[in-house]
Amino acid sequence: DAMVIQNPRYQVTQFGKPVTLSCSQTLNHNVMYWYQQKSSQAPKLLFHYYDKDFNNEADTPDNFQSRRPNTSFCFLDIRSPGLGDAAMYLCATSRDLGGTGDYNEQFFGPGTRLTVL
Amino acid sequence: DQQVKQNSPSLSVQEGRISILNCDYTNSMFDYFLWYKKYPAEGPTFLISISSIKDKNEDGRFTVFLNKSAKHLSLHIVPSQPGDSAVYFCAASAKGRQNFVFGPGTRLSVLP
Repeated sequence: DAMVIQNPRYQVTQFGKPVTLSCSQTLNHNVMYWYQQKSSQAPKLLFHYYDKDFNNEADTPDNFQSRRPNTSFCFLDIRSPGLGDAAMYLCATSRDLGGTGDYNEQFFGPGTRLTVL
Repeated sequence: DQQVKQNSPSLSVQEGRISILNCDYTNSMFDYFLWYKKYPAEGPTFLISISSIKDKNEDGRFTVFLNKSAKHLSLHIVPSQPGDSAVYFCAASAKGRQNFVFGPGTRLSVLP
């Protein structure tokens, strides 16, 4: 089945120790997103890739970086995790219909829950 | 400043009755709206959407209503089933933008 896969599902890191979360997709979608969701809050978009074009949200801290080496994979790097970065991180994909202005819904992975000690 | 609001953190409904989940938005540029359902330990899954050119969209037991003048949309689930118990997120986007703004979610509990 086509899907969005996130590894690991649970990640524990130490304060200040770099951590990488990964996302892969078999949907061949050209757009990939990273969201941060804290308890009882809305998922907050950090950035997204439109093909290879990186789009950072204005309020995303510099501590958060992303890489997309190919269509299928996207990584979230947290360079120096702080206690406030403990959250669920959701990866999502969508398929753009070539600038027609039509939309497609996003397909989400199960998320990676990050704990910072 | 929340652009998409879901003012009811939780809602309980009896099985077989109607569930109504509400969502308000502030950005008049939003023209496409979606509802997602999320079970514990899973990512959100798409449920239903509506474009601003419509005021109603129906898919089986799920109907979304859009009131553009009030910047308000609602999701109706009829009849509600215990399997509908989940967190429901409202999301919105503006034409030409690939990202969606999510509300904080409403936890629906359907009681047998």
